[in-house]
Amino acid sequence: DQQVKQNSPSLSVQEGRISILNCDYTNSMFDYFLWYKKYPAEGPTFLISISSIKDKNEDGRFTVFLNKSAKHLSLHIVPSQPGDSAVYFCAASATNTGNQFYFGTGTSLTVIP
Amino acid sequence: DAGVTQSPTHLIKTRGQQVTLRCSPKSGHDTVSWYQQALGQGPQFIFQYYEEEERQRGNFPDRFSGHQFPNYSSELNVNALWLGDSALYLCASSRGDRPYYEQYFGPGTRLTVT
Repeated sequence: DQQVKQNSPSLSVQEGRISILNCDYTNSMFDYFLWYKKYPAEGPTFLISISSIKDKNEDGRFTVFLNKSAKHLSLHIVPSQPGDSAVYFCAASATNTGNQFYFGTGTSLTVIP
Repeated sequence: DAGVTQSPTHLIKTRGQQVTLRCSPKSGHDTVSWYQQALGQGPQFIFQYYEEEERQRGNFPDRFSGHQFPNYSSELNVNALWLGDSALYLCASSRGDRPYYEQYFGPGTRLTVT
């Protein structure tokens, strides 16, 4: 049972434009969400997070939006740069399940120069 | 400062065999989590070790077992390998006194079962 879903396996964006990556979840108990970036032959690296008490968190070019009623979150990258080309995973956890994260299947972002 | 390291990088085993994967956490980290990432999937949580004890476990059979040593390094053991165990195995480390989401991943071990 996939509790976190990323329905777009891939996304291509022109350099300088906005990249929007989407993630949906089914478990209403999830209260913490993260985005990870993964380059080939490397482990995922933490990018940005948001707790369920917020609906937006911003860090430089990266902004994560959370819509709890729709059980949807999105990552916006503005402006997109070629170095942003990677696989992006969203992950979610629930405080009452401790330290277990549930990951989506990833979206491969290609930023075209 | 070395990050999370894993060994070996790649491994090929035959169905039915046993395998041991190793992980050294980032300096200052005392908690190690293991994940399985099958092709085209996101990482799936296997278990987490803290103070040499398994603290939490995901939905994986008992064929998957682990160990944490006093120096916080960890091993993942998989017995009676199936073809379906072929995956990238990721180790992540964190500090027990920090928020649990502040974890750092290693590059992974690619296991192929033939």
